[in-house]
Amino acid sequence: QKEVEQDPGPLSVPEGAIVSLNCTYSNSAFQYFMWYRQYSRKGPELLMYTYSSGNKEDGRFTAQVDKSSKYISLFIRDSQPSDSATYLCAMIPTDSWGKLQFGAGTQVVVTP
Amino acid sequence: GAGVSQSPSNKVTEKGKDVELRCDPISGHTALYWYRQRLGQGLEFLIYFQGNSAPDKSGLPSDRFSAERTGESVSTLTIQRTQQEDSAVYLCASSLPNQPQHFGDGTRLSIL
Repeated sequence: QKEVEQDPGPLSVPEGAIVSLNCTYSNSAFQYFMWYRQYSRKGPELLMYTYSSGNKEDGRFTAQVDKSSKYISLFIRDSQPSDSATYLCAMIPTDSWGKLQFGAGTQVVVTP
Repeated sequence: GAGVSQSPSNKVTEKGKDVELRCDPISGHTALYWYRQRLGQGLEFLIYFQGNSAPDKSGLPSDRFSAERTGESVSTLTIQRTQQEDSAVYLCASSLPNQPQHFGDGTRLSIL
């Protein structure tokens, strides 16, 4: 069993819809959580970084962390075709800051 | 400012040859990381540098893989006697201490 599980998709939504992405994890040592966006043939780009359980909002993006359920989510409001990309969740345990563990990534397609 | 720079962006080589991949981190970032991304898969941790030393080399797949960093700046990842299964995108990231990682666009390595 992988430490970080993420549905690979693809997830197709119409423009303007809310995109809902999530990851589950098994290691309770994970304490720092990130979401990255990766366009084709580009490196991952940091979108959101959270530590505590709860919600964090940045523009059209909202990240949720539920440590009791070992579940994290990313919501994209008012989705645009330019949001079409692969979204990767990532997390770090408190005892190994350098070793970022990634989910497999979810491919999102926003259709005009 | 300048982001993480990787070179070459693409590399095609014959099985059995050695390859050297280069990473220039963001200026001032003391931590540097190497990952491998196989087609359609998430990122696989290879090695992490803090300054010029590597506290965690646990992800290097075999003794054909090695990495070094000098001057707390540039890093090179060397793959000796390349095999076809080494074909992947090799991504480098850098960060300030205990801060999220910022990625380059990777080197696409193809082994014929």
